[in-house]
Amino acid sequence: KAGVTQTPRYLIKTRGQQVTLSCSPISGHRSVSWYQQTPGQGLQFLFEYFSETQRNKGNFPGRFSGRQFSNSRSEMNVSTLELGDSALYLCASSLGGQRGNSPLHFGNGTRLTVT
Amino acid sequence: AQSVTQPDIHITVSEGASLELRCNYSYGATPYLFWYVQSPGQGLQLLLKYFSGDTLVQGIKGFEAEFKRSQSSFNLRKPSVHWSDAAEYFCAVRSNTGNQFYFGTGTSLTVIP
Repeated sequence: KAGVTQTPRYLIKTRGQQVTLSCSPISGHRSVSWYQQTPGQGLQFLFEYFSETQRNKGNFPGRFSGRQFSNSRSEMNVSTLELGDSALYLCASSLGGQRGNSPLHFGNGTRLTVT
Repeated sequence: AQSVTQPDIHITVSEGASLELRCNYSYGATPYLFWYVQSPGQGLQLLLKYFSGDTLVQGIKGFEAEFKRSQSSFNLRKPSVHWSDAAEYFCAVRSNTGNQFYFGTGTSLTVIP
């Protein structure tokens, strides 16, 4: 079974631009979560999508948004990029049931650099 | 609110020595607990998980962890560390209602020959 796939692996953008990151979950997984990882802040939860609906949301500004498609693939968008948005963005998928023992399965991330 | 604490930011061990990484959690009920490992520039890989039953769980790469309810701990152990174990280790808790995960700040492991 293929793992979680994130594209692209690396991105370099300029301040003020916007960016879209893509995530394809493991087949059969209906939940996709996004995390931002930086050396200073560790893993910060952005949001989780389940069956095309945002189910949980972290404490990030509205510049960060996401969506999930009917095939469970997900995209994350960051508008008006700031230098502080430079980070490794990780996507993770899971079965996503409310009760259950489904762990998160992570992709290798997208390294975003804002200059 | 749920939270996870990993008291050790960085640990250095000699190859072949034993390892214990600490994790404490705050959660009202019995949580679902996980350990993940991250190599540089990579995503997180699941090492092991605890949901219920036997409090000593075995994982991949020779790792094990013990759940101690009285201490709210879920420490990760390995009897003999290999140089390839050098990585960042994260402890995480998932609430048993809902799909919200909470991660610790991670412990960076250095292995010296």
